[in-house]
Amino acid sequence: DQQVKQNSPSLSVQEGRISILNCDYTNSMFDYFLWYKKYPAEGPTFLISISSIKDKNEDGRFTVFLNKSAKHLSLHIVPSQPGDSAVYFCAAKTSYDKVIFGPGTSLSVIP
Amino acid sequence: KAGVTQTPRYLIKTRGQQVTLSCSPISGHRSVSWYQQTPGQGLQFLFEYFSETQRNKGNFPGRFSGRQFSNSRSEMNVSTLELGDSALYLCASSLAFGTQFADPSSSYEQYFGPGTRLTVT
Repeated sequence: DQQVKQNSPSLSVQEGRISILNCDYTNSMFDYFLWYKKYPAEGPTFLISISSIKDKNEDGRFTVFLNKSAKHLSLHIVPSQPGDSAVYFCAAKTSYDKVIFGPGTSLSVIP
Repeated sequence: KAGVTQTPRYLIKTRGQQVTLSCSPISGHRSVSWYQQTPGQGLQFLFEYFSETQRNKGNFPGRFSGRQFSNSRSEMNVSTLELGDSALYLCASSLAFGTQFADPSSSYEQYFGPGTRLTVT
């Protein structure tokens, strides 16, 4: 039973445009959500996270939006840069429980 | 501040052997989690340690074990290696265990090391 879903395996975006990566979850008890970027043969790099008491969190070019009623979150990258090309993982957690990762979305930013 | 470090970075073992991987968390971080990543399987949670106690465990056989020391460093051990154990093993650290320790208005953060690439032949 996949509790964290990323239904788009891949996404291509033109440089300078907005990249929107989507994530859906099934467990309403999740209270923290995280986004990671991963290059091949490296560990994931933490990008941004959000508590369930918020609906938006920004950090530079990255903004995460949380819609609890829809059990949906999204990561917006503006403007997209070629160096953003990587696999992006959405993850979620409940208090005292493990972090659960989605399958990832491969983002390609085309120069 | 130094990041999460993992040693060794690469390891080649033969079937039936055992292996120990090491992880040093970010200074001040007390929680360490371990993950296995294989092509097509994504990130699979192994276990999480906090204050030298295993707090969470994933669905892996008993051949996979771990421990945490008083300085928060952690080791992971795999006994009787199988070909299917070939993977990238990742360690991640966070400041606290459980979101209740954190300020609810803040965000939980977990940082990964570079991983140990284990190849079993």
